[in-house]
Amino acid sequence: GAVVSQHPSRVICKSGTSVKIECRSLDFQATTMFWYRQFPKKSLMLMATSNEGSKATYEQGVEKDKFLINHASLTLSTLTVTSAHPEDSSFYICSARDPSANAPGTDTQYFGPGTRLTVL
Amino acid sequence: AQKITQTQPGMFVQEKEAVTLDCTYDTSDQSYGLFWYKQPSSGEMIFLIYQGSYDEQNATEGRYSLNFQKARKSANLVISASQLGDSAMYFCAMRFKTGNQFYFGTGTSLTVIP
Repeated sequence: GAVVSQHPSRVICKSGTSVKIECRSLDFQATTMFWYRQFPKKSLMLMATSNEGSKATYEQGVEKDKFLINHASLTLSTLTVTSAHPEDSSFYICSARDPSANAPGTDTQYFGPGTRLTVL
Repeated sequence: AQKITQTQPGMFVQEKEAVTLDCTYDTSDQSYGLFWYKQPSSGEMIFLIYQGSYDEQNATEGRYSLNFQKARKSANLVISASQLGDSAMYFCAMRFKTGNQFYFGTGTSLTVIP
């Protein structure tokens, strides 16, 4: 299947600092990427949809000024957690849609390995 | 409103046995896709299997098969010949044609016993 990478895999930062997380599609072009947040032993919560060349679409309740998303190219989307606080500590996962004809259903989302953010 | 339900928070299965993980959904849409993902303790989400709402045959991928009953709005995952490496969280997900979002169920934690 398609490969999505995420960097860093783990980050610890001080309260008040900003953290950038990168999501890359390695072997396909992804016009749309998604950012999820997952609390321990919980399901994935969609935060925003990242569209290449346009503004991200945020889900209700997600602060767009706190979670900045930039989809600068067809293979890269970044999530920046600005002025991070301990309550932002979580597991952040990105995914990318592979629109190629070979992908099952053409709507399958392939996920990155996730980034575990700890804010002290 | 769209809703995905996984009623089994935890399941145990003996190694080499088959296990069924339940997933039901609620939608008025006619066109949608159903997915199952596996999430081991490492955290990555691994795509397992896909079923389109118009597919007449149940999807199969190796040891994974999807028992799709459209009238009952259920899409259960069957894992045959369970292996120790199958121990993980399993999420059912649905994508609707009206939007890009995936809606995830709450997950089922599967433990394979040697």
